[in-house]
Amino acid sequence: KNEVEQSPQNLTAQEGEFITINCSYSVGISALHWLQQHPGGGIVSLFMLSSGKKKHGRLIATINIQEKHSSLHITASHPRDSAVYICAVFPGIGEYGNKLVFGAGTILRVKS
Amino acid sequence: NAGVMQNPRHLVRRRGQEARLRCSPMKGHSHVYWYRQLPEEGLKFMVYLQKENIIDESGMPKERFSAEFPKEGPSILRIQQVVRGDSAAYFCASSPPNRGLTEAFFGQGTRLTVV
Repeated sequence: KNEVEQSPQNLTAQEGEFITINCSYSVGISALHWLQQHPGGGIVSLFMLSSGKKKHGRLIATINIQEKHSSLHITASHPRDSAVYICAVFPGIGEYGNKLVFGAGTILRVKS
Repeated sequence: NAGVMQNPRHLVRRRGQEARLRCSPMKGHSHVYWYRQLPEEGLKFMVYLQKENIIDESGMPKERFSAEFPKEGPSILRIQQVVRGDSAAYFCASSPPNRGLTEAFFGQGTRLTVV
């Protein structure tokens, strides 16, 4: 069983659509990161959440600590949003203490 | 304030050679983490270092791999006698002291190809 589960694994959308990527985790966490990786590219940290909701441009990230669930939303999607989106949790204590635990990623393709 | 700098971006080595990957953390960051991304796989933790100390190397292969973060200069991930299976993207992240990975900034990665 993976400690961090993302869904969907693959997502194809039309330009302009509203997109939601989900992340569920089974460990207690200090923080949760949403990361973006373009093909052959580096990793960009989009958000770090420990509670509530954050917004940056067309991107919105929410987290529900009690339900151990986070979502990443993209409004008015654009082909340049095509990338792999990775959820990563930082437990801070316990078995995974000082490590980030990664989801498998969601491959997003936005068609024009 | 430059971000996390990794070099080289791309590295090609023949089997049996040594690979040295460098990571310069963000200014003021004293914690460095190395991750490996094998083709078609997710990111996996390798090692966590603070200045002059290896804190957790539980993700490092037992042989041929080593890492250091000296008092001065970048962190180095060293792979001796590379094999084809070492071909991967290696990412470094850094964080400030006393924040753990509640703040983490990633480099662009080094893509190692072993031929």
